[in-house]
Amino acid sequence: DSGVTQTPKHLITATGQRVTLRCSPRSGDLSVYWYQQSLDQGLQFLIQYYNGEERAKGNILERFSAQQFPDLHSELNLSSLELGDSALYFCASSVGGRGLAGELFFGEGSRLTVL
Amino acid sequence: AQSVTQPDIHITVSEGASLELRCNYSYGATPYLFWYVQSPGQGLQLLLKYFSGDTLVQGIKGFEAEFKRSQSSFNLRKPSVHWSDAAEYFCAVVRNRDDKIIFGKGTRLHILP
Repeated sequence: DSGVTQTPKHLITATGQRVTLRCSPRSGDLSVYWYQQSLDQGLQFLIQYYNGEERAKGNILERFSAQQFPDLHSELNLSSLELGDSALYFCASSVGGRGLAGELFFGEGSRLTVL
Repeated sequence: AQSVTQPDIHITVSEGASLELRCNYSYGATPYLFWYVQSPGQGLQLLLKYFSGDTLVQGIKGFEAEFKRSQSSFNLRKPSVHWSDAAEYFCAVVRNRDDKIIFGKGTRLHILP
Protein backbone atom coordinates (compact mmCIF):
# COMPACT_ATOMS: atom_id res chain seq x y z
CA ASP A 1 0.00 0.00 0.00
CA SER A 2 1.60 3.23 -1.21
CA GLY A 3 -0.60 5.47 0.93
CA VAL A 4 -2.00 7.24 -2.13
CA THR A 5 -5.74 6.80 -2.58
CA GLN A 6 -7.56 7.24 -5.85
CA THR A 7 -11.27 7.16 -6.50
CA PRO A 8 -13.12 5.85 -8.35
CA LYS A 9 -11.21 2.73 -9.39
CA HIS A 10 -13.34 2.23 -12.46
CA LEU A 11 -15.52 4.62 -14.40
CA ILE A 12 -17.56 4.09 -17.54
CA THR A 13 -19.10 7.05 -19.28
CA ALA A 14 -20.18 8.29 -22.68
CA THR A 15 -18.55 10.62 -25.15
CA GLY A 16 -19.14 14.28 -24.44
CA GLN A 17 -19.52 13.74 -20.72
CA ARG A 18 -17.44 15.13 -17.86
CA VAL A 19 -15.84 13.19 -15.02
CA THR A 20 -13.83 14.01 -11.93
CA LEU A 21 -11.07 11.81 -10.57
CA ARG A 22 -9.95 12.25 -7.02
CA CYS A 23 -6.62 11.66 -5.33
CA SER A 24 -5.51 11.77 -1.72
CA PRO A 25 -1.73 11.90 -1.39
CA ARG A 26 0.37 10.17 1.23
CA SER A 27 0.28 11.83 4.61
CA GLY A 28 2.86 14.61 4.61
CA ASP A 29 3.36 14.74 0.85
CA LEU A 30 2.86 18.20 -0.62
CA SER A 31 3.13 17.33 -4.32
CA VAL A 32 0.58 15.57 -6.45
CA TYR A 33 1.21 14.42 -9.99
CA TRP A 34 -1.27 13.16 -12.57
CA TYR A 35 -0.34 10.67 -15.28
CA GLN A 36 -2.28 9.08 -18.10
CA GLN A 37 -1.38 5.56 -19.18
CA SER A 38 -2.65 4.04 -22.38
CA LEU A 39 -1.45 1.19 -24.57
CA ASP A 40 -0.44 3.41 -27.47
CA GLN A 41 0.98 6.41 -25.59
CA GLY A 42 2.54 4.76 -22.57
CA LEU A 43 2.87 6.76 -19.36
CA GLN A 44 2.26 10.44 -20.03
CA PHE A 45 2.82 13.16 -17.46
CA LEU A 46 -0.15 15.52 -17.26
CA ILE A 47 0.38 17.99 -14.46
CA GLN A 48 1.94 18.54 -11.03
CA TYR A 49 0.72 20.55 -8.07
CA TYR A 50 2.76 21.52 -5.06
CA ASN A 51 1.06 22.79 -1.94
CA GLY A 52 -1.93 24.03 -3.86
CA GLU A 53 -0.14 25.64 -6.78
CA GLU A 54 0.55 24.34 -10.25
CA ARG A 55 4.24 23.43 -10.48
CA ALA A 56 4.70 21.73 -13.84
CA LYS A 57 2.61 21.00 -16.87
CA GLY A 58 2.99 18.17 -19.31
CA ASN A 59 0.85 16.85 -22.13
CA ILE A 60 -2.45 17.90 -20.63
CA LEU A 61 -5.27 18.69 -23.02
CA GLU A 62 -7.23 21.91 -22.70
CA ARG A 63 -10.34 19.80 -22.00
CA PHE A 64 -8.61 18.57 -18.85
CA SER A 65 -8.01 20.57 -15.71
CA ALA A 66 -6.81 19.86 -12.22
CA GLN A 67 -6.51 21.49 -8.86
CA GLN A 68 -5.10 20.81 -5.44
CA PHE A 69 -7.13 21.81 -2.43
CA PRO A 70 -5.98 23.19 0.94
CA ASP A 71 -6.18 19.73 2.47
CA LEU A 72 -3.78 18.65 -0.35
CA HIS A 73 -6.13 16.27 -2.08
CA SER A 74 -6.36 16.77 -5.81
CA GLU A 75 -8.97 16.40 -8.49
CA LEU A 76 -8.53 15.87 -12.21
CA ASN A 77 -11.45 17.03 -14.31
CA LEU A 78 -11.92 15.58 -17.77
CA SER A 79 -14.57 17.16 -19.97
CA SER A 80 -16.02 16.71 -23.46
CA LEU A 81 -14.75 13.17 -23.27
CA GLU A 82 -13.68 11.36 -26.41
CA LEU A 83 -13.10 7.69 -27.06
CA GLY A 84 -9.37 8.32 -27.05
CA ASP A 85 -9.51 9.50 -23.45
CA SER A 86 -10.08 5.94 -22.32
CA ALA A 87 -7.04 5.16 -20.21
CA LEU A 88 -5.69 4.51 -16.76
CA TYR A 89 -5.17 7.71 -14.83
CA PHE A 90 -2.62 7.63 -12.05
CA CYS A 91 -2.04 9.99 -9.24
CA ALA A 92 1.32 10.06 -7.52
CA SER A 93 2.65 12.05 -4.61
CA SER A 94 6.02 13.08 -3.28
CA VAL A 95 7.31 14.91 -0.25
CA GLY A 96 8.43 18.07 -1.99
CA GLY A 97 7.95 19.92 -5.21
CA ARG A 98 11.65 20.34 -5.64
CA GLY A 99 14.32 17.91 -4.78
CA LEU A 100 14.34 14.16 -5.23
CA ALA A 101 11.54 14.67 -7.68
CA GLY A 102 11.80 11.14 -8.93
CA GLU A 103 10.71 9.46 -5.72
CA LEU A 104 7.05 9.16 -6.46
CA PHE A 105 4.43 7.09 -4.70
CA PHE A 106 1.64 5.98 -7.01
CA GLY A 107 -1.97 5.18 -6.38
CA GLU A 108 -3.63 2.20 -8.00
CA GLY A 109 -5.19 4.29 -10.70
CA SER A 110 -8.63 5.13 -12.02
CA ARG A 111 -9.59 3.24 -15.15
CA LEU A 112 -11.73 5.39 -17.40
CA THR A 113 -13.70 3.86 -20.24
CA VAL A 114 -15.43 6.19 -22.67
CA LEU A 115 -18.10 4.55 -24.81
CA ALA B 1 16.51 16.91 -24.94
CA GLN B 2 16.76 14.53 -22.08
CA SER B 3 15.33 11.11 -22.81
CA VAL B 4 15.36 7.59 -21.54
CA THR B 5 15.24 4.53 -23.77
CA GLN B 6 14.20 1.02 -22.94
CA PRO B 7 15.01 -0.90 -26.11
CA ASP B 8 13.09 -4.05 -25.21
CA ILE B 9 9.30 -3.80 -25.24
CA HIS B 10 8.82 -7.42 -24.15
CA ILE B 11 11.19 -9.89 -22.52
CA THR B 12 10.45 -13.52 -21.69
CA VAL B 13 12.56 -15.54 -19.28
CA SER B 14 12.09 -18.85 -17.53
CA GLU B 15 11.45 -18.96 -13.82
CA GLY B 16 14.76 -19.27 -12.02
CA ALA B 17 16.74 -17.75 -14.85
CA SER B 18 18.67 -14.51 -14.56
CA LEU B 19 17.30 -11.23 -15.86
CA GLU B 20 18.70 -8.04 -17.26
CA LEU B 21 16.52 -5.16 -18.44
CA ARG B 22 18.20 -2.43 -20.38
CA CYS B 23 17.93 1.30 -19.92
CA ASN B 24 19.86 4.08 -21.63
CA TYR B 25 19.59 7.79 -21.07
CA SER B 26 20.71 10.74 -23.08
CA TYR B 27 21.99 13.58 -21.02
CA GLY B 28 25.44 15.09 -20.63
CA ALA B 29 25.71 15.07 -16.87
CA THR B 30 24.85 12.24 -14.50
CA PRO B 31 21.15 12.37 -13.75
CA TYR B 32 19.21 10.74 -10.98
CA LEU B 33 18.12 7.29 -12.13
CA PHE B 34 15.24 5.10 -11.05
CA TRP B 35 13.55 1.81 -11.77
CA TYR B 36 9.84 1.38 -11.11
CA VAL B 37 7.73 -1.76 -11.38
CA GLN B 38 4.05 -1.98 -12.25
CA SER B 39 2.36 -5.25 -11.40
CA PRO B 40 -0.90 -6.06 -13.20
CA GLY B 41 -3.71 -3.85 -11.97
CA GLN B 42 -1.41 -1.85 -9.73
CA GLY B 43 0.28 1.49 -9.70
CA LEU B 44 4.00 1.95 -10.10
CA GLN B 45 6.30 1.12 -7.22
CA LEU B 46 9.86 2.31 -6.77
CA LEU B 47 12.34 -0.59 -7.01
CA LEU B 48 15.58 1.31 -6.61
CA LYS B 49 17.31 4.60 -7.25
CA TYR B 50 20.75 5.98 -8.01
CA PHE B 51 21.81 9.45 -6.98
CA SER B 52 25.58 9.22 -6.61
CA GLY B 53 28.33 7.11 -5.12
CA ASP B 54 28.47 3.34 -5.52
CA THR B 55 27.42 2.51 -9.05
CA LEU B 56 25.80 -0.77 -8.04
CA VAL B 57 22.58 -0.17 -6.16
CA GLN B 58 20.40 -2.66 -4.40
CA GLY B 59 16.66 -2.46 -4.40
CA ILE B 60 13.64 -4.26 -3.14
CA LYS B 61 12.53 -7.74 -4.20
CA GLY B 62 16.11 -8.85 -4.89
CA PHE B 63 16.72 -6.44 -7.77
CA GLU B 64 19.89 -4.49 -8.39
CA ALA B 65 20.99 -2.02 -11.04
CA GLU B 66 24.35 -0.82 -12.22
CA PHE B 67 25.08 2.68 -13.43
CA LYS B 68 27.67 2.82 -16.20
CA ARG B 69 28.58 6.36 -17.09
CA SER B 70 30.60 5.37 -20.16
CA GLN B 71 27.58 3.62 -21.64
CA SER B 72 24.93 6.01 -20.31
CA SER B 73 23.16 2.94 -19.01
CA PHE B 74 21.35 1.88 -15.88
CA ASN B 75 20.44 -1.76 -16.40
CA LEU B 76 18.28 -3.68 -13.98
CA ARG B 77 19.26 -7.20 -12.96
CA LYS B 78 18.04 -10.09 -10.90
CA PRO B 79 19.94 -13.37 -10.52
CA SER B 80 16.88 -15.62 -10.37
CA VAL B 81 13.39 -14.49 -11.33
CA HIS B 82 10.18 -15.68 -9.74
CA TRP B 83 6.77 -15.93 -11.37
CA SER B 84 5.66 -12.98 -9.26
CA ASP B 85 8.20 -10.78 -11.06
CA ALA B 86 6.00 -10.77 -14.15
CA ALA B 87 5.20 -7.08 -14.53
CA GLU B 88 6.08 -3.98 -16.47
CA TYR B 89 9.31 -2.24 -15.58
CA PHE B 90 9.96 1.44 -16.14
CA CYS B 91 13.30 3.17 -16.11
CA ALA B 92 13.14 6.85 -15.19
CA VAL B 93 15.46 9.82 -15.17
CA VAL B 94 15.54 13.14 -13.38
CA ARG B 95 18.07 15.62 -14.66
CA ASN B 96 18.57 17.43 -11.37
CA ARG B 97 16.83 17.89 -8.07
CA ASP B 98 14.52 20.54 -9.48
CA ASP B 99 13.51 18.78 -12.67
CA LYS B 100 10.61 16.54 -13.48
CA ILE B 101 10.86 12.80 -13.91
CA ILE B 102 10.99 11.30 -17.40
CA PHE B 103 9.80 7.72 -17.78
CA GLY B 104 10.84 5.25 -20.43
CA LYS B 105 8.15 3.41 -22.36
CA GLY B 106 8.54 0.32 -20.22
CA THR B 107 9.57 -3.31 -20.67
CA ARG B 108 7.00 -5.98 -20.06
CA LEU B 109 8.49 -9.06 -18.42
CA HIS B 110 6.91 -12.46 -19.01
CA ILE B 111 7.92 -15.48 -16.93
CA LEU B 112 7.76 -19.02 -18.29
CA PRO B 113 7.04 -21.77 -15.74
